[in-house]
Amino acid sequence: DIQLTQSPSFLSASVGDRVTITCRASQGISSYLAWYQQKPGKAPKLLIYAASTLQSGVPSRFSGSGSGTEFTLTISSLQPEDFATYYCQQLNSYLLTFGQGTRLEIK
Amino acid sequence: QVQLQESGPGLVKPSETLSLTCTVSGYSISSGYYWGWIRQPPGEGLEWIGNIYHSGSTYYNPSLKSRVTISVDTSKNQFSLRLSSVTAADTAVYFCARFALRQIPRGFDIWGQGTMVTVSS
Repeated sequence: DIQLTQSPSFLSASVGDRVTITCRASQGISSYLAWYQQKPGKAPKLLIYAASTLQSGVPSRFSGSGSGTEFTLTISSLQPEDFATYYCQQLNSYLLTFGQGTRLEIK
Repeated sequence: QVQLQESGPGLVKPSETLSLTCTVSGYSISSGYYWGWIRQPPGEGLEWIGNIYHSGSTYYNPSLKSRVTISVDTSKNQFSLRLSSVTAADTAVYFCARFALRQIPRGFDIWGQGTMVTVSS
């Protein structure tokens, strides 16, 4: 199985800050990585796929990069609605896995 | 627009079988895409359970494979999850979702709202 490790697990930031979340894969997955945002009591929302392609309707302040084993999700200027939990997911094989999540809270 | 809705019992007894159905509206399952189940124990992260293609091909999380069956009923535009021999560790919110695979895998792009299932006697 391909394991994904996100860091940090918890992040405290302020509105307007630039934040970066890292996702590391236990083996190379090319660019087959997606990022999701989940708010309490809601289903996850797909933000980015293919490591860096923004899903339709997602604000441009979200961006993704990376390939192989190391990936990042960056929010260029945090907005109040961005405080949520973020998950990466590898799509390299038919056996899918999620990272453990990064909780982003207001400082 | 495409919508997914989970349904099924909210309470299941230990050792019994959990059964959930996902009804898809706004899109015909037989037209394509993979369809999947994901769960989330209270206060924890997401766990992929498995996917099914409209043809019936299935892919399961190896940690659950011995207890999981995902099936599709194209006539009802539904797909279903069965998880046998449940324990308290299977208590979770269960989501169904559409898995986009168009030239490249894109992830789960449309989700149901989720349904809480508690395993308790």
